[in-house]
Amino acid sequence: AQTVTQSQPEMSVQEAETVTLSCTYDTSESDYYLFWYKQPPSRQMILVIRQEAYKQQNATENRFSVNFQKAAKSFSLKISDSQLGDAAMYFCAYRRGMDSNYQLIWGAGTKLIIKP
Amino acid sequence: EAGVAQSPRYKIIEKRQSVAFWCNPISGHATLYWYQQILGQGPKLLIQFQNNGVVDDSQLPKDRFSAERLKGVDSTLKIQPAKLEDSAVYLCASSSANRVRSTDTQYFGPGTRLTVL
Repeated sequence: AQTVTQSQPEMSVQEAETVTLSCTYDTSESDYYLFWYKQPPSRQMILVIRQEAYKQQNATENRFSVNFQKAAKSFSLKISDSQLGDAAMYFCAYRRGMDSNYQLIWGAGTKLIIKP
Repeated sequence: EAGVAQSPRYKIIEKRQSVAFWCNPISGHATLYWYQQILGQGPKLLIQFQNNGVVDDSQLPKDRFSAERLKGVDSTLKIQPAKLEDSAVYLCASSSANRVRSTDTQYFGPGTRLTVL
């Protein structure tokens, strides 16, 4: 069975600095998708970035980028120039490819604190 | 483009009472999901619909939870009777997945925070 592990329950970073959140996953599949979601105190889950496993190039979205290491089954999120609005829970999620009916497998989340 | 809508945003009930949540997905999205998220945990999938058919309800406590998606658009999730351990945020999400291969990115609503006393 697929699993997703976020080993950092909580991380803190100084405003304007860079922080990296870790995520590892376990799968025997070769075709899958990986996601990072952000959940602020309002509890709305917001998609931050996604990565298709068949793409070697790391996904980027403005200040957010990933380091996707397929062989190591690692999918870390780097947030550059941290802002107070980045404070939230961050969840890593995995989904098998090929069939859109496969459900998301979620990590336990990492709480990100931004120090002003 | 309007996002996923949910109501109510907050609900407080006593145990053994009934409660219903409503979700309106993004227009044109074929797949709809209901999640339960207990504080400090990741979301847990309760049920997944594709159009008006159930794809996966393996983690839905069917003795007390029910969900429907009539006409393949809006959906309602009901709990009857509620227990203390049902206190959680109930998230609705939708995706445009209606074909075999899809990134199936899920977009979430604001959630309904349920407190059972």
